[in-house]
Amino acid sequence: NAGVTQTPKFRVLKTGQSMTLLCAQDMNHEYMYWYRQDPGMGLRLIHYSVGEGTTAKGEVPDGYNVSRLKKQNFLLGLESAAPSQTSVYFCASSRGDRGYTGYTFGSGTRLTVV
Amino acid sequence: AQTVTQSQPEMSVQEAETVTLSCTYDTSENNYYLFWYKQPPSRQMILVIRQEAYKQQNATENRFSVNFQKAAKSFSLKISDSQLGDTAMYFCAFMKHAQGAQKLVFGQGTRLTINP
Repeated sequence: NAGVTQTPKFRVLKTGQSMTLLCAQDMNHEYMYWYRQDPGMGLRLIHYSVGEGTTAKGEVPDGYNVSRLKKQNFLLGLESAAPSQTSVYFCASSRGDRGYTGYTFGSGTRLTVV
Repeated sequence: AQTVTQSQPEMSVQEAETVTLSCTYDTSENNYYLFWYKQPPSRQMILVIRQEAYKQQNATENRFSVNFQKAAKSFSLKISDSQLGDTAMYFCAFMKHAQGAQKLVFGQGTRLTINP
């Protein structure tokens, strides 16, 4: 019962480099989300998906792209990393039934851009 | 757009004391959910308690209870008989009750330290 798995857990990038964060869930959840956590700002929604093949922008989407080619996976890409993208990134999923069905969070990825 | 405000960046109490964390929110919605999440040093996000706005009764989970004041848009968390394991960041969060993406809006967080 893995739940939501994020890889990698830690990463250091140089400014301008690219990378992809992988989120995988094994609960057959319809909805998936990417949040970033910064000190004093809580968690903010970057992008989300309400089903395979769909994505939508959240509150802070600039500098990020996402893809949901398979229902169980939600990828977050940084094409050209900037120091402002240093953060802890959380993936989450939810069942997506009518009404609230609960979030399952991954354990986070700490990304440092130098 | 909905906003969530936690006005206490840090709090510190002695073990076994009672502590209350404050949260206010702004919304024009009538139906919504409110949550408190705990984030210990492990970084894992753990749901502590949730409240559905249409329910007048305040939610309780063992030592954790909320004071939900809908008209005042206030949602405080009370931790009774605090324990060392309660040391963590606590986030208040809001979710609209509607079809479609169930997006959470978080407050800034309160860092709670329980001292022995």
